[in-house]
Amino acid sequence: SQQGEEDPQALSIQEGENATMNCSYKTSINNLQWYRQNSGRGLVHLILIRSNEREKHSGRLRVTLDTSKKSSSLLITASRAADTASYFCATESNTGNQFYFGTGTSLTVIP
Amino acid sequence: NAGVMQNPRHLVRRRGQEARLRCSPMKGHSHVYWYRQLPEEGLKFMVYLQKENIIDESGMPKERFSAEFPKEGPSILRIQQVVRGDSAAYFCASSPGNGKQPQHFGDGTRLSIL
Repeated sequence: SQQGEEDPQALSIQEGENATMNCSYKTSINNLQWYRQNSGRGLVHLILIRSNEREKHSGRLRVTLDTSKKSSSLLITASRAADTASYFCATESNTGNQFYFGTGTSLTVIP
Repeated sequence: NAGVMQNPRHLVRRRGQEARLRCSPMKGHSHVYWYRQLPEEGLKFMVYLQKENIIDESGMPKERFSAEFPKEGPSILRIQQVVRGDSAAYFCASSPGNGKQPQHFGDGTRLSIL
């Protein structure tokens, strides 16, 4: 399976702390994307990092990519209660026809 | 600027009935993807369609499931003779092009089979 795997499965932190989530995948990729899903809602795209990029920032989000280790991390700095959600990484198939999603990290930020 | 619209949000069916899930992509998007999500799991790809064409249905069960995206109207995911194991959240996503841009997701249809 090309499916990514997020780690940890669940993470609980205090508001203001940083949250780090990791994603490992199995095949070569063109890009890797991170999505967020609030309970009962669809996925919202957060950030895309291409295979030739090592790090990317967007607001309080920082994503790294290590293609030699086939892994990526998502760092959320200065977390807020509103960041409580599940976070998924997704990789693209060779044909570009489909995305493979991991099982997600459930983040709880305690006010 | 409406996003991806899915309806119904919740659907309850008895075993053996048919379920029809509808998805209207974002304006200007001609690519539609369907995913299934079981509780506490990630999304599993089912099918990728463009207008009037099925491009990739490798994630779709061979029997009872079908999808279409007609020239006019929403994309439809159809499940015939539903069974308990079909209970899940079904998400639709759309994009303007093939896999190169982020997909925009609807809020899903939660299907419950009694």
